[in-house]
Amino acid sequence: EAGVAQSPRYKIIEKRQSVAFWCNPISGHATLYWYQQILGQGPKLLIQFQNNGVVDDSQLPKDRFSAERLKGVDSTLKIQPAKLEDSAVYLCASSLFGEQYFGPGTRLTVT
Amino acid sequence: DAKTTQPPSMDCAEGRAANLPCNHSTISGNEYVYWYRQIHSQGPQYIIHGLKNNETNEMASLIITEDRKSSTLILPHATLRDTAVYYCIVRGSGGSNYKLTFGKGTLLTVNP
Repeated sequence: EAGVAQSPRYKIIEKRQSVAFWCNPISGHATLYWYQQILGQGPKLLIQFQNNGVVDDSQLPKDRFSAERLKGVDSTLKIQPAKLEDSAVYLCASSLFGEQYFGPGTRLTVT
Repeated sequence: DAKTTQPPSMDCAEGRAANLPCNHSTISGNEYVYWYRQIHSQGPQYIIHGLKNNETNEMASLIITEDRKSSTLILPHATLRDTAVYYCIVRGSGGSNYKLTFGKGTLLTVNP
């Protein structure tokens, strides 16, 4: 069974630029999550999708972050404009029932 | 805020059992205890979960106290590849309650 795929694996941008991350969940998994993990901390949930609908986006900084999951499969997370404090690993996870399966993450560096 | 308390770090000798404690004194009756681990530069990996009873799978055993206020994850024969940050998470059931709230976890270092 293929795992959660994410791309790119690494990205370096300057502040005020925009960036997008892509996630392909495990086939058949209805729920998709985006997490932000700052160095030295545990992952923090940004947004949760159930199929193509948003279940929880209470911790998503909506002035600069956006996410979509068209057709209830792949998802993209966008940051525009990026700030220095957005430097982190962005993790995508998917689940069918309880257990979440995580991708390898995208390491973003904002300079 | 995370609902669990874990020691920041622990050491274990290779081949010995690693016992990782977790306190979750405010756990509700319908909340599960989940354990994940994160090896350096990888995404978190599911290990095991339980509600009331002790659980065992191919990776680990989970011992939950009778009052459910604490639990212990046991890796029976730790290897160097088990060096990772281990997260104990209390998680509800259904809809947005499926989300995981991670704390800082316990860094387990397995020494040769």
